[in-house]
Amino acid sequence: AQKVTQAQTEISVVEKEDVTLDCVYETRDTTYYLFWYKQPPSGELVFLIRRNSFDEQNEISGRYSWNFQKSTSSFNFTITASQVVDSAVYFCALSEDNYKLSFGAGTTVTVRA
Amino acid sequence: KAGVTQTPRYLIKTRGQQVTLSCSPISGHRSVSWYQQTPGQGLQFLFEYFSETQRNKGNFPGRFSGRQFSNSRSEMNVSTLELGDSALYLCASSLAGTSYTGELFFGEGSRLTVL
Repeated sequence: AQKVTQAQTEISVVEKEDVTLDCVYETRDTTYYLFWYKQPPSGELVFLIRRNSFDEQNEISGRYSWNFQKSTSSFNFTITASQVVDSAVYFCALSEDNYKLSFGAGTTVTVRA
Repeated sequence: KAGVTQTPRYLIKTRGQQVTLSCSPISGHRSVSWYQQTPGQGLQFLFEYFSETQRNKGNFPGRFSGRQFSNSRSEMNVSTLELGDSALYLCASSLAGTSYTGELFFGEGSRLTVL
């Protein structure tokens, strides 16, 4: 069975600090996809990034970057120079190509001005 | 382009009643998924439809059902409501075809309160 663990329940930072969100996953498949979503107070989940299990290249997209390590089953996400608008709940998710996502419990990020 | 639209946004029901929630996907998207979000259980997959066919179903009782129409719009129904059904119900659409690789685009959800 799939499982996604986000050990951090809440993170509070001051604006312009970096924030790193941890995600550890469990799967028996060799082909899978990992995602990060953001949920602002309005409720909708906003897609941030996607990674497939065959691509461990870490990238940076604007203020977002991620670190995917299959050896440790981790898919961490970093927001650089955080802003107040980054305050939201962030979810890590796993899909084993069966049309559904398994989400972690979420990490609430609060960025203070 | 317009995003995923869910109606109603908020509703209050009493135990034993039934409820129908509606979701209009992004134009051109043929896959619609439903998720339940509660403080205790988090985000849980309900079901996914593609071209009017249910392709996958989560671990929910038969009181939870859904369907998809030829225009890709979807509805989900919960019968004999229980207090524990109080949740935010999120609908998501994607271009997903024969296999799942695409990101999901979520609506703002329908918040159901069961009294």
